[in-house]
Order: sequence, then C-alpha cells, then structure tokens
Amino acid sequence: GAGVSQSPSNKVTEKGKDVELRCDPISGHTALYWYRQSLGQGLEFLIYFQGNSAPDKSGLPSDRFSAERTGGSVSTLTIQRTQQEDSAVYLCASSLVLGSLENTEAFFGQGTRLTVV
Amino acid sequence: DQQVKQNSPSLSVQEGRISILNCDYTNSMFDYFLWYKKYPAEGPTFLISISSIKDKNEDGRFTVFLNKSAKHLSLHIVPSQPGDSAVYFCAASVSGRLGSGTYKYIFGTGTRLKVLA
Repeated sequence: GAGVSQSPSNKVTEKGKDVELRCDPISGHTALYWYRQSLGQGLEFLIYFQGNSAPDKSGLPSDRFSAERTGGSVSTLTIQRTQQEDSAVYLCASSLVLGSLENTEAFFGQGTRLTVV
Repeated sequence: DQQVKQNSPSLSVQEGRISILNCDYTNSMFDYFLWYKKYPAEGPTFLISISSIKDKNEDGRFTVFLNKSAKHLSLHIVPSQPGDSAVYFCAASVSGRLGSGTYKYIFGTGTRLKVLA
C-alpha cells in the first residue's frame, strides 16, 4: 500500500480480555517496528522484525505481550489479559532493508489507541 | 536509562522567528539521527535526518546540526510557521554497516512546539 496501515484505529476493551492489533507495512519494507506512546510519554520501543524474525524483543513489557509477522508483511501485536496500564497508542513503523550502506527512515502508521477499562 | 533526551517539554516561538529544538544522546554507537513531527491523533512524520559523517543537513526551512563530541543535535526551523506547531521527536539508531545489531530507533520524549501567529 501507499503507507503503513494499522487497524483498528481505536479499541476499547475490558480488563482481562485479549486484544490483537494489526499492522500492514509499506510494500517492500523488510523491517517492521512496534512502539507505544503512553499519555504524556515518548515513543517506547517494543519489538522489531527483520523479515519474519524478531531479533530484538527487548522492549516487550511482559510475557502478556507477543508479536508475529507472516510472509514478511503483516504483523500482529497481541496483548493477553489486558491491564489498565496497557492503555496507550500503539504505533507501527516500517523501513527499507537494513544493513545497506544507506540509512533509511522509518514510516509510521496512524496508530491504534487502546483503552482498557 | 534514557539514551535520547529532549530536556525541553515545550517551546513557544513567534511566527517568522527561528525555532531551535535540542536533543542529547548518551550512546556513542549511535550514528544516524532523525527528527519526526507528530500532530495529535496521527502517527509521527519523518522530517529530516543526519548521518554521523556530517555535521549539518538542510532541507528547506529545516536544518539539523550534529555535534558528535557533545553528543548533541538540534533542529532549526526558520522561519517558523503556525503549521509547524506539533510535537517534535528526535531519534537515534545504529546503522547496519557497524554490524552491532539491533537497528531500532530510540526516541526522545518529545518537545511540543507552539508557533504563535
């Protein structure tokens, strides 16, 4: 597609429920990132994918958080047994091939606003 | 440990004047730096970047300066326009050619710029 697409735009869920957030990166971008922005905070790194593998999961806050990427394209971030502190805007970004001689910027989607009540 | 710091949460500037946004980093391995702009309810938008082999990069009204010895970068916007009012994030990463690995972008906490008409 023309840009990074995330769905849903907004999600309200009850505490304890599981949620799935989806990201469609820019076609041809092999690197995909998940970040989250809590109220009044900066962008917190969660995980990144190179192709379908995730070399760096260091930012996932707990084992309730997981992510996968299939076909080198779509990625899903899953939060199990949601808690109120999970409320945030979850942002996905993608970029061109890493490891090349040229650095590249990441392009962000519009985000999914998650509210846990 | 905050590897990328934006110590000014907010900045107000008169239209037509220069806006200077500052960013400091601690990791000497960072060699690629970016600035993003974010409007409410939208994802961050890439503005300008700079590689560590340069100390200045200019794109229209936007100029980024990098002082490696001080581990400091700044974004200059001149002349400032009301439409520039947004939150500005700086980010840093380690490029693939250094082979160090994770390639993730580390973001600062952002500076809210308000350009007064």
